[in-house]
Amino acid sequence: GAVVSQHPSWVICKSGTSVKIECRSLDFQATTMFWYRQFPKKSLMLMATSNEGSKATYEQGVEKDKFLINHASLTLSTLTVTSAHPEDSSFYICSARPYRDRGLTNEKLFFGSGTQLSVL
Amino acid sequence: ILNVEQSPQSLHVQEGDSTNFTCSFPSSNFYALHWYRWETAKSPEALFVMTLNGDEKKKGRISATLNTKEGYSYLYIKGSQPEDSATYLCASPNTGFQKLVFGTGTRLLVSP
Repeated sequence: GAVVSQHPSWVICKSGTSVKIECRSLDFQATTMFWYRQFPKKSLMLMATSNEGSKATYEQGVEKDKFLINHASLTLSTLTVTSAHPEDSSFYICSARPYRDRGLTNEKLFFGSGTQLSVL
Repeated sequence: ILNVEQSPQSLHVQEGDSTNFTCSFPSSNFYALHWYRWETAKSPEALFVMTLNGDEKKKGRISATLNTKEGYSYLYIKGSQPEDSATYLCASPNTGFQKLVFGTGTRLLVSP
């Protein structure tokens, strides 16, 4: 099956630094990637949708200057948390789908394994 | 706003027990229902994508049913095994079919 690799699995950083999280589709071309955030005991909350070669679409309330998303190739999307602060500490996970034109009525998503970010 | 709910939040069963849990969603403007299994430290893995009212899907000891008219789906695990321990997520696409809205998951623990 399709594999999505996400790195790093966990990261601890000092307040004010920037952290980059990578999401790679290993055996398929991901025209669309989704970035989610999860707080403890809460559901996965979509942060943004990125399509290869175009700007990401951010969900309401998500600061695009804070969470920079780049999807420059069909196999790689990155999320950069800029000037991270303790309130950015959370679990971040990406997912990918191969086909741009199909909706999610029949098509499943392929997920990375997530990144636990702790900002001191 | 699409709201997907799951119950129970967590479940602890003994090996060999059969179990089931629920995903509820708005019955109006229904498009599809996804089930994912998420083992600790691994990637969520798709189990089923269901679209038709009355649909029933099966994968080994795991099966799911769908009732779009009343807005719920059940996930059943027959003869639970310790390796079934995971969080089970359901999700439904929004109106534009472009993103999934997830429930909070049911965390299943199967003791040997």
